[in-house]
Amino acid sequence: QVQLQESGPGLVKPSETLSLTCAVSGHSISSGYYWGWIRQPPGKGLEWIGHIHHSGSTYNNPSLKSRVTISVDTSKNQFSLKVSSVTAADTAVYYCARRGLVGIYYFDYWGQGTLVTVSS
Amino acid sequence: EIVLTQSPGTLSLSPGERATLSCRASQSVTSSYLAWYQQKPGQAPRLLIYGASSRATDIPDRFSGGGSGTDFTLTISRLEPEDFAVYYCQQYGSSPPMYTFGQGTKLEIK
Repeated sequence: QVQLQESGPGLVKPSETLSLTCAVSGHSISSGYYWGWIRQPPGKGLEWIGHIHHSGSTYNNPSLKSRVTISVDTSKNQFSLKVSSVTAADTAVYYCARRGLVGIYYFDYWGQGTLVTVSS
Repeated sequence: EIVLTQSPGTLSLSPGERATLSCRASQSVTSSYLAWYQQKPGQAPRLLIYGASSRATDIPDRFSGGGSGTDFTLTISRLEPEDFAVYYCQQYGSSPPMYTFGQGTKLEIK
């Protein structure tokens, strides 16, 4: 059974960098799937942030431009998200999720989510 | 960028009734790139339907998806108490490559 678990600080100051990690268990992160991040501001809808392949290929939401960095650590079977220069608008529940193999464009396994609040 | 618009925003029905949720795209969407998710309060979204009409693993057959082009639907044939939740459609577009979600339809008990 594939399981994903997000971890990281729940509170980040404005202008600083938000950093989260997603630990994957029950499945090798090098299996060919893509691994992504999706966020949900309180009471609002879902926004795709980006995803990464174990080869290191990344795809990010253009609306977040260069603020987003996604990386993968195959030795630890985990992947990470960094969002720089955060503002209150980045306050959200952040989910990590598995996207399908090449040609499959949906997310079939999700972490439970972690709330990150941007506040001084 | 393709925009997905879901309707209605809120749907009030009783257990046992049939629910039909709509997802309309601003441009034509490849059916194989359209998915539906269910989200309950405090939980992560759960994949229900992929490829517009294929049920994900362990999803009951009362859930069905259909549509093509710019108009897609999620139908729940007979509502069970556990089906009351928020439902999102999601698509993948290649120009630019990205994923977008609809704003959601809240299915509430009448």
